[in-house]
Amino acid sequence: DAGITQSPRHKVTETGTPVTLRCHQTENHRYMYWYRQDPGHGLRLIHYSYGVKDTDKGEVSDGYSVSRSKTEDFLLTLESATSSQTSVYFCAISEVPQRGTDTQYFGPGTRLTVL
Amino acid sequence: QQQVKQSPQSLIVQKGGISIINCAYENTAFDYFPWYQQFPGKGPALLIAIRPDVSEKKEGRFTISFNKSAKQFSLHIMDSQPGDSATYFCAASMIGDSNYQLIWGAGTKLIIKP
Repeated sequence: DAGITQSPRHKVTETGTPVTLRCHQTENHRYMYWYRQDPGHGLRLIHYSYGVKDTDKGEVSDGYSVSRSKTEDFLLTLESATSSQTSVYFCAISEVPQRGTDTQYFGPGTRLTVL
Repeated sequence: QQQVKQSPQSLIVQKGGISIINCAYENTAFDYFPWYQQFPGKGPALLIAIRPDVSEKKEGRFTISFNKSAKQFSLHIMDSQPGDSATYFCAASMIGDSNYQLIWGAGTKLIIKP
């Protein structure tokens, strides 16, 4: 988890409220990712970023938005939280995958509960 | 075609035994196959990875076997130890893909019984 922090680490919120999760890196890696992890589904990509203000949708992007105004920060927003968004959210970073250094480094995760 | 199918979902192995986890894929354009290890309360971490130009890669007690014709790859953990108890994920990707993404298997929860 070195070089990647996520905040908050735990959050309980109510249905319909907006929620923002933050990922901060000190590695200066270009790519950043947001995943959710649910039993039986493994890791599912929500959104990813390949540079400042450059983002794209992943497999399960509905109900989520992201922003990246600085290299080191990648924000995930649940516009109106629903109980189906209860999950553990992981941020990951990587260098430039096309160069062959494909390792994704993961943060410690945020456990989100939507009541 | 983008899926990676991982089995079994859970696995219990005696200490000292061999743990085997299997993955299968459809997309023949995949050219990078990593395995990640995740301990409870932590994020996944890269364990070992293989490219399709070799059939096997070994790092300590961990070995990836790759069968290109069958579109399958597997993780073998020799002399399994209680400290190996974790969830293991296989994944696949296309390195040259401008929309680079790792496609993940659903995970295998491995328990090593002492």
